[in-house]
Amino acid sequence: GAVVSQHPSWVICKSGTSVKIECRSLDFQATTMFWYRQFPKQSLMLMATSNEGSKATYEQGVEKDKFLINHASLTLSTLTVTSAHPEDSSFYICSARAGINTEAFFGQGTRLTVV
Amino acid sequence: QKEVEQDPGPLSVPEGAIVSLNCTYSNSAFQYFMWYRQYSRKGPELLMYTYSSGNKEDGRFTAQVDKSSKYISLFIRDSQPSDSATYLCAVYNYGQNFVFGPGTRLSVLP
Repeated sequence: GAVVSQHPSWVICKSGTSVKIECRSLDFQATTMFWYRQFPKQSLMLMATSNEGSKATYEQGVEKDKFLINHASLTLSTLTVTSAHPEDSSFYICSARAGINTEAFFGQGTRLTVV
Repeated sequence: QKEVEQDPGPLSVPEGAIVSLNCTYSNSAFQYFMWYRQYSRKGPELLMYTYSSGNKEDGRFTAQVDKSSKYISLFIRDSQPSDSATYLCAVYNYGQNFVFGPGTRLSVLP
């Protein structure tokens, strides 16, 4: 299957700082990328959908000024958690798909711990 | 009613057993169905991808979709301890976002 690389795999940051997570599709062009958050023992929760070259669409309840998403190219999307707080500690996962009716491939996930 | 329902488990089976994992969904418009496997502390990986009704087989894994009853299944034959993971079903429709089930935790005991 296609490869989606997410970096870093884990990060610890101080409260109030910002953290950037990268999601790259390595062998295909991702027209759409998704960002999810997962708390322990819970399912994935979609945060936002981004299409290359346009602004991300955020799910209800997700603060777009706090979770900045940039999808500047067909192979790279970034999620920046701004002014992180301990309650932002979670597992963040991206996925990417090449077209509207194709399957999605997931990155390895980033475990964020805010101390 | 949730869009996708899935028994969270945990489900424990002995090695070699046939495992049946199931999801039901509420929106008959869904056309695409997927099963993902997620190991602890890892992102989900795509196992099976099915469009519309029918069966799809890949090695020890078989995915079934019954659109008339809005029911999807994943069967694992000859289960192995390495199959121990959380299995998530996901559904979506053309141009729309995925809807995930909560996942079923599976433990295959040696």
